[in-house]
Amino acid sequence: DSGVTQTPKHLITATGQRVTLRCSPRSGDLSVYWYQQSLDQGLQFLIQYYNGEERAKGNILERFSAQQFPDLHSELNLSSLELGDSALYFCASSLSWGNTEAFFGQGTRLTVV
Amino acid sequence: GQQLNQSPQSMFIQEGEDVSMNCTSSSIFNTWLWYKQEPGEGPVLLIALYKAGELTSNGRLTAQFGITRKDSFLNISASIPSDVGIYFCAGLDGGTSYGKLTFGQGTILTVHP
Repeated sequence: DSGVTQTPKHLITATGQRVTLRCSPRSGDLSVYWYQQSLDQGLQFLIQYYNGEERAKGNILERFSAQQFPDLHSELNLSSLELGDSALYFCASSLSWGNTEAFFGQGTRLTVV
Repeated sequence: GQQLNQSPQSMFIQEGEDVSMNCTSSSIFNTWLWYKQEPGEGPVLLIALYKAGELTSNGRLTAQFGITRKDSFLNISASIPSDVGIYFCAGLDGGTSYGKLTFGQGTILTVHP
């Protein structure tokens, strides 16, 4: 158990809908990262937050947004969903913004039908 | 953008055999990481390398940070059935995107008893 909690574990939704994925980082970790894992693209970095502020941005679509709350949990919002958004979404956390030893959650499997 | 080429894509070996996999990049990384992912789980950090030329071991696993900073190698000695999984390399350039890990496509390892 990495200590990073993601909910829900599975999500099935229709195209055009909006979903929110939630992540609770390990106790004491200030940084949260979001990754997307799909068969064709592999593991892709989406976005990083550190202590409530956006720190780094990767290949995140405009339809996607994230935030980190004062209690350090984070949410990834995916809107206007398309079939191609079906993937595993991972959250990871680390102690500081430059810490490379991030711990991953078990992921949320999103299926868009 | 940065890309990591990981090879081989898959390996089928007998229990007890040694395994080697590598990752090459078109650009320099300041940190190399190796992860293992099992079905239904997030990636788990195996080894972190911070310095060019560094050789680090973790039990039966040994990884090296290439001297050119553009490649890394992972060796597993005396493989056992629980080594089965997908192994990912990841690089961090340490520039403006401290949190952004670039992942390789993964090596699927199957170990026959």
